[in-house]
Amino acid sequence: GAGVSQSPRYKVAKRGQDVALRCDPISGHVSLFWYQQALGQGPEFLTYFQNEAQLDKSGLPSDRFFAERPEGSVSTLKIQRTQQEDSAVYLCASSFRDNYNEQFFGPGTRLTVL
Amino acid sequence: RKEVEQDPGPFNVPEGATVAFNCTYSNSASQSFFWYRQDCRKEPKLLMSVYSSGNEDGRFTAQLNRASQYISLLIRDSKLSDSATYLCGSGYSTLTFGKGTMLLVSP
Repeated sequence: GAGVSQSPRYKVAKRGQDVALRCDPISGHVSLFWYQQALGQGPEFLTYFQNEAQLDKSGLPSDRFFAERPEGSVSTLKIQRTQQEDSAVYLCASSFRDNYNEQFFGPGTRLTVL
Repeated sequence: RKEVEQDPGPFNVPEGATVAFNCTYSNSASQSFFWYRQDCRKEPKLLMSVYSSGNEDGRFTAQLNRASQYISLLIRDSKLSDSATYLCGSGYSTLTFGKGTMLLVSP
């Protein structure tokens, strides 16, 4: 079946703009994760959903970052008033049941803030 | 100290060589351990889960040492196509990843 999809694949924003990044997990996957990956670094955890419940948002770097998954499927990561340091690849991953299962990653959204 | 640490490399090896990577983790409560492969400008792809008893998948062998809090990945008979960055992930409620180890296999 289809893997995790993300859109847009690339996003260029001017500093101060708001952006919304979308993630479509693998059908039937209960858990969904957002990560931020800077160049030369590993993925850094941002937040985690189990169905529609946001169980952990400890990795969100500031209150400008907000994520939701209202119907327990598609998720949106929103970044308000973008800053240059927000430039990174934002990866979404899903897993079948819970956070102990293997996570499958989407292709990511490469965000560049000018 | 970062929760998950890896030697960034690069490890330069000829085709056919055996190469091993280690990854240390600091959270003793970690229950899940994985190796992922990431090609340049691509997403991480699951290579293998790591179980307490160790596991093997073809040329790849993963081991977990809970006492010393490290996981390892052994690649035998390296292929050119094995060139990539290898990420280890460990965690309890969520996964923490290392920065990755770069492997370059040359002809």
